[in-house]
Formats: sequence, C-alpha cells, structure tokens
Amino acid sequence: GAGVSQSPSNKVTEKGKDVELRCDPISGHTALYWYRQSLGQGLEFLIYFQGNSAPDKSGLPSDRFSAERTGGSVSTLTIQRTQQEDSAVYLCASSAPAGGHNEQFFGPGTRLTVL
Amino acid sequence: DAKTTQPPSMDCAEGRAANLPCNHSTISGNEYVYWYRQIHSQGPQYIIHGLKNNETNEMASLIITEDRKSSTLILPHATLRDTAVYYCIVSSLNDYKLSFGAGTTVTVRA
Repeated sequence: GAGVSQSPSNKVTEKGKDVELRCDPISGHTALYWYRQSLGQGLEFLIYFQGNSAPDKSGLPSDRFSAERTGGSVSTLTIQRTQQEDSAVYLCASSAPAGGHNEQFFGPGTRLTVL
Repeated sequence: DAKTTQPPSMDCAEGRAANLPCNHSTISGNEYVYWYRQIHSQGPQYIIHGLKNNETNEMASLIITEDRKSSTLILPHATLRDTAVYYCIVSSLNDYKLSFGAGTTVTVRA
C-alpha cells in the first residue's frame, strides 16, 4: 500500500518568504508527527497530532512555525518569514493505534533551502 | 539517544550476516528497544522492536540479553541496499518523540 507522502520534495525559497509543506499519512493512521533534520544532525521533534486531541506543539522552535491537520488526515506545516537557519529536511511520520507510537512510518521528507 | 551506545561504524560483506550491537545499561522495565535505519537522503525506516524476548520479522532479528542491558540487531543476509545508518533507541510505548543518537554507519561491500 501507499506510504507516507510529502510534497514538495525540494523547496528553495528566499529569506522572509512563507512556505507550506504537505504531508499525506498512511490511510488509517491516527497519529501524525513532524520532525526536522539538519545536515548531519539527529531528529528534532516539532509537533504531534493524535486524532481529535489537541496537538503537542512543544517542539515548534518559534511562533513562525505552525501546523494543522484537517479531517484527521493531511497535514500542513507552515513556516512564516523563513530564516536561513530553517534550512533542513522536514520529515513527516504517521503511526497506527495498534502499532504504538514508536513504530513510526516516515515520508521521504521535504528538503527546504532558505537563501 | 543518550540512553544507548553504538559503535560509530562497521563494514559487512554482501551476503553475510551483519550483527549490530547496542548497549542500553540504564533501560527501565517499561522501555522497549527499537531499531530504525536511515538510508542516505531518505526518511528513517522502522525495522523492529522488542521488550525482552527475541524478535524476528522479514527485515531482521533482534536479540536482547537476559538482563536487557544490551541487544544485537541481525541482518541475516546483508545486501548493498542495507547500507545505512542504524539507530538503536529505548523508549516506553507512550513516548512519541523519537530521538536518535549518532547510530552505526553500516557499509555493505560487494
């Protein structure tokens, strides 16, 4: 079956512009996660959605970052007024209730470059 | 993940078994051992997890010592496509913020 998909795969933008990154989770997965990974670095948790519960936004680095998940499926991560330090690979993952939180299935990521 | 220790790198011959060690001496009773890998320019990929019993799936086997302070991931017949960074993490079922350490860079050679 289809895995987690993300779009765009690459995004180059100018400093100060807004960007939107999209994630389509695996059908039926109720949990959705956003992470980012800077070059040579580990995963940095950003936000977690679980069903209709309030999302855990504790990992968002600043108020320029926001995310929403509509209809319990597709999610959009928005970065306003992008800065060069926002350059990273943004990864989305989803998991099924039965599998537990740590069996997360990742998408291929969106590579964001802020010039 | 500061709770685990892995060798920084290892080489493996194609077709041979790859045995990847992980130390987790401070693991708690409710924490599982999870393995992920990340092939270059791709997202992380879940491999396997276990609590105390050995586990096997289509990708790998996980051997956990009786005291649970260490484990070994076994790739039974390594292929060139198994070249990746392999991450061992310990986490309870309710922890959803994955955190990877440096992992082990595995290079499978023909």
